[in-house]
Amino acid sequence: AQSVAQPEDQVNVAEGNPLTVKCTYSVSGNPYLFWYVQYPNRGLQFLLKYITGDNLVKGSYGFEAEFNKSQTSFHLKKPSALVSDSALYFCAVRLTGANNLFFGTGTRLTVIP
Amino acid sequence: NAGVTQTPKFQVLKTGQSMTLQCAQDMNHNSMYWYRQDPGMGLRLIYYSASEGTTDKGEVPNGYNVSRLNKREFSLRLESAAPSQTSVYFCASSVQSSGRQGDTQYFGPGTRLTVL
Repeated sequence: AQSVAQPEDQVNVAEGNPLTVKCTYSVSGNPYLFWYVQYPNRGLQFLLKYITGDNLVKGSYGFEAEFNKSQTSFHLKKPSALVSDSALYFCAVRLTGANNLFFGTGTRLTVIP
Repeated sequence: NAGVTQTPKFQVLKTGQSMTLQCAQDMNHNSMYWYRQDPGMGLRLIYYSASEGTTDKGEVPNGYNVSRLNKREFSLRLESAAPSQTSVYFCASSVQSSGRQGDTQYFGPGTRLTVL
């Protein structure tokens, strides 16, 4: 079965520390991987995506993600967390030939001042 | 650009009532989507429209109908609302759905629907 998983429901990190939000996928074929962020009572905002090429992808607000084919992972990272980064983060995958995104269940990030 | 807009923002219905959720985009995108978001389940696709004049079922289409009114607008209709349809509904659009798998989907602010 093809799927995307976010193993942590909640991640807490102190302000100024590096943060990582994990995502793993299980698909056949080449995946197209996305990260979105959702602030309270708001829609999803696009952060970054991996299509092909360099495994390290840089996105909005200082976020980056590393595509690791051997570990089938696409973890979201930021070198120094801000309190304003506190939000719900979704990993999503789009399969070759598919019309929609398949979303993980989300990880709530809390940055502690 | 306003991006993707949705109306209404909030709605409360009684079981059996009907309503239409409206979505519009001003980015000249070809493809539009309706998702629902439920706690602990991420987003799931209800229906999508790859281009004007076409619609197709997604993962959870039962109880819903859609209309791609024109290139800008894509509406979602609940003919007879049920409590199981209590959810947050998101509309999204992308340049193109097929042949360009890397296209980014852009989301509206959502409609929070409660069915009593």
